[in-house]
Amino acid sequence: DIQMTQAPSSLSASVGDRVTITCRASQTIGSYLNWYQQKPGKAPKLLIYVASSLQSGVPSRFSGSGSGTDFTLTISSLQPEDFATYYCQQSYSTPRTFGQGTNVEIK
Amino acid sequence: QVQLVESGGGLVKPGGSLRLSCAASGFTFSDYDMSWIRQAPGKGLEWVSYISTTGRTIYYADSVKGRFTISRDNAQNSVYLQMSSLRAEDTAVYYCARITVGGQYNWFDPWGQGTLVTVSS
Repeated sequence: DIQMTQAPSSLSASVGDRVTITCRASQTIGSYLNWYQQKPGKAPKLLIYVASSLQSGVPSRFSGSGSGTDFTLTISSLQPEDFATYYCQQSYSTPRTFGQGTNVEIK
Repeated sequence: QVQLVESGGGLVKPGGSLRLSCAASGFTFSDYDMSWIRQAPGKGLEWVSYISTTGRTIYYADSVKGRFTISRDNAQNSVYLQMSSLRAEDTAVYYCARITVGGQYNWFDPWGQGTLVTVSS
C-alpha cells in the first residue's frame, strides 16, 4: 500500500497568512494526487485534482503543485472560511490512501 | 444538482450486521464507478470499497475483506454496503462518493453527507 504523509499535522495561522501543507507519498505516484477540505461535521469536499487542477467553484487562492512523491497545497491568503482539515489522497493504486490530515486553526 | 444521500446507519452490537444505502441523483448513475469511505470519530479518512459501473469489478480494504459486500442497482440509482461481523473498530461515519474520471486520473467527487455506524454492546 502507498503511504501518504502530511506535514504539519496541525497549524495555527491568521487571516491573510500564506499557508503551505505538504504531502509525501511512500513511492512515486506521478500526478495521481488529490486534495480535499473537510469542515467539522461535514463531508470532505474536493479542492484540487491531478496535483494542480483547481476544482470548479474553488477559490483561486487555493493551488496545488508537485509530482512524483512530493506535493504541496498552498492557500495564498487565508480566509475565515478556510479553517478546516485538509487531506491529500493518492489515486495511483488500490487501495486508495489518504494522508492523516492537516488541521488549520485560527491563531 | 448532483447529490448522494446515505442511509441505514445506526447502533449495532458487535458481530451484528447492517446494510447501508446511497441514493444518487442529478447524474447518470450507471456511468460512474462508486466507492465507500469511512471516518472513525476524530480520525482521518479510510477508503473501504470500490465498485465499477457494471458491478463486475469490486475491491475492498483488507480491514473489511470477507465481512463487507458492496453492490449496486443501476435501475434504482443506488449503491449499497452490506456489513457483517461488525467490530467496535468499524464504528465510523460512512460516506459514499462518486469516482470522477479525467483521462487516466480519477478522484472522489462528490461525497454524500455520511451515515454514522456505531458498533457497541
